[in-house]
Amino acid sequence: SQTIHQWPATLVQPVGSPLSLECTVEGTSNPNLYWYRQAAGRGLQLLFYSVGIGQISSEVPQNLSASRPQDRQFILSSKKLLLSDSGFYLCAWSVQGTVRYGYTFGSGTRLTVV
Amino acid sequence: EDQVTQSPEALRLQEGESSSLNCSYTVSGLRGLFWYRQDPGKGPEFLFTLYSAGEEKEKERLKATLTKKESFLHITAPKPEDSATYLCAVQRGKLIFGQGTELSVKP
Repeated sequence: SQTIHQWPATLVQPVGSPLSLECTVEGTSNPNLYWYRQAAGRGLQLLFYSVGIGQISSEVPQNLSASRPQDRQFILSSKKLLLSDSGFYLCAWSVQGTVRYGYTFGSGTRLTVV
Repeated sequence: EDQVTQSPEALRLQEGESSSLNCSYTVSGLRGLFWYRQDPGKGPEFLFTLYSAGEEKEKERLKATLTKKESFLHITAPKPEDSATYLCAVQRGKLIFGQGTELSVKP
């Protein structure tokens, strides 16, 4: 069965420090991968998505970047965190070519920038 | 512009008091409408996919329906464990989420 792993679960970082959040998917090949941010108030904002290794699309200009070095690995990074980067970050995957199964989400990372 | 609006923002029910959550959408070329449940501090959990107007899906006390402009999530005789935020999303290319309805069921 397919599983998605996201870590760390909680992170407190000072302003100006770098960031690296990792997400891996098991049990499937060539998934679509996504990074979302959820601010207080529950709305999910799509940050990046990827349809293959090295292929990254950015939805919102910001202080963050994403990379996909391997088929089932998706990384969210920042060189210098801002206070406004605080939030709940969610990784998700979907099967390419069909909407039938929707997106499967990881358990999320709560990032607090202090 | 594609848009998804959920109402109400928050809903408080007594155990056993049935109700409905609404998801209104404006999107051309809808490929699917999804309902998710999200518990505090967790990622959203998939509930249903609806593809066309008139379609219905059921799971335990939950029933989702779809029209050309909106979807309803009906909750029959809810229990406290149904308390969560329920998210609606539509897919044209990528998923576009509504803001969610926070449901609280009191015993």
